Amino acid sequence: ETGVTQSPTHLIKTRGQQVTLRCSSQSGHNTVSWYQQALGQGPQFIFQYYREEENGRGNFPPRFSGLQFPNYSSELNVNALELDDSALYLCASSLDTGLSPLHFGNGTRLTVT
Amino acid sequence: KNQVEQSPQSLIILEGKNCTLQCNYTVSPFSNLRWYKQDTGRGPVSLTIMTFSENTKSNGRYTATLDADTKQSSLHITASQLSDSASYICVVSKTGANSKLTFGKGITLSVRP
Repeated sequence: ETGVTQSPTHLIKTRGQQVTLRCSSQSGHNTVSWYQQALGQGPQFIFQYYREEENGRGNFPPRFSGLQFPNYSSELNVNALELDDSALYLCASSLDTGLSPLHFGNGTRLTVT
Repeated sequence: KNQVEQSPQSLIILEGKNCTLQCNYTVSPFSNLRWYKQDTGRGPVSLTIMTFSENTKSNGRYTATLDADTKQSSLHITASQLSDSASYICVVSKTGANSKLTFGKGITLSVRP
């Protein structure tokens, strides 16, 4: 059983640039969620995808967007990067949108300078 | 505002000792409460998931309790080990919105030899 993998592990970008983060969900999981975790804070929900459709969104601006592909892998895109976007971005997959536990990847550390 | 508050912020204990971590929430209407363990530089790992009707759940040396009336939960760790050193995060979900989880800031536990 392959776990959740995220790429890249680390990334440095300049303010105003755009970034794409990638996530391969665990085998058999059709639901993917993305979270932003600032240093010393708990993760903040960005959005969730279920079978390629967005299925809930947190309080993040439209410049945060995503995709889920037919194989249930996912991308998080962030446009017009701001310094405050510097954080650990976590992807989690689950069997469904209900009580199934979330399986997290180890995240992408994004630094915006 | 839906919130999850955890205490203490950090804790240091000696190997072999027990400890209890607290979580209070205001998320409503309540669906389920989860505890996660997050090692430094890694994604969170699920420990327990409890619904409204459950008041205790165990996972090895970890035992979670839930009082849905007072909106409180605790995570008890028995016979602590050095590998228990991590951040422990309480997560609460609203009814009908399992796609949007509210995370606490986490409690940093350090187990010393």
